[in-house]
Amino acid sequence: QKEVEQNSGPLSVPEGAIASLNCTYSDRVSQSFFWYRQYSGKSPELIMSIYSNGDKEDGRFTAQLNKASQYVSLLIRDSQPSDSATYLCAVNLFSGNTGKLIFGQGTTLQVKP
Amino acid sequence: SQTIHQWPATLVQPVGSPLSLECTVEGTSNPNLYWYRQAAGRGLQLLFYSVGIGQISSEVPQNLSASRPQDRQFILSSKKLLLSDSGFYLCAWRTGNSYGYTFGSGTRLTVV
Repeated sequence: QKEVEQNSGPLSVPEGAIASLNCTYSDRVSQSFFWYRQYSGKSPELIMSIYSNGDKEDGRFTAQLNKASQYVSLLIRDSQPSDSATYLCAVNLFSGNTGKLIFGQGTTLQVKP
Repeated sequence: SQTIHQWPATLVQPVGSPLSLECTVEGTSNPNLYWYRQAAGRGLQLLFYSVGIGQISSEVPQNLSASRPQDRQFILSSKKLLLSDSGFYLCAWRTGNSYGYTFGSGTRLTVV
């Protein structure tokens, strides 16, 4: 079983709709979860972090975490063509006294005008 | 301010040639540093990480090695490149008290 799993997509939504991106992870001990956005040919940029169960909102983005189900999601409201990118879910795993981010394969989002 | 530099941006190397990619961080001390590789259409695979000078942890057995000769310098190397070493190489550092990482701009390596 992969440590972090995402549907590779592509996920296609019309402009103005809500895009819902999902991620599951295997390590029950994980405490920190992140969403990165990666435009084609560019490096990933951090857009959301979440540490507690429930929802965390930042502008048009909402991250949702359910540790019991080992599930984290990202909602993008009022999707714009500029949101078209690959979204990477990342989970912090601890090894000894240090952590390391493990990434899913990413979901490609296409927002159509 | 804190910044991360990575070079070169692109590199085309023949099979069997050596490799050296450098990453430096400014504006912080004793950062945790990481090397990731992203194959075409794939996610990020953690290759190496370092918590201090001379301290390297390898995540997967491979044709690559890493070194940290100075506090804010992280180097990825190979003695002889393979075709399978092609990919997008990203250096990252842990951002302050958060567990999230900040990535450099990456090096796109093509082995021919």
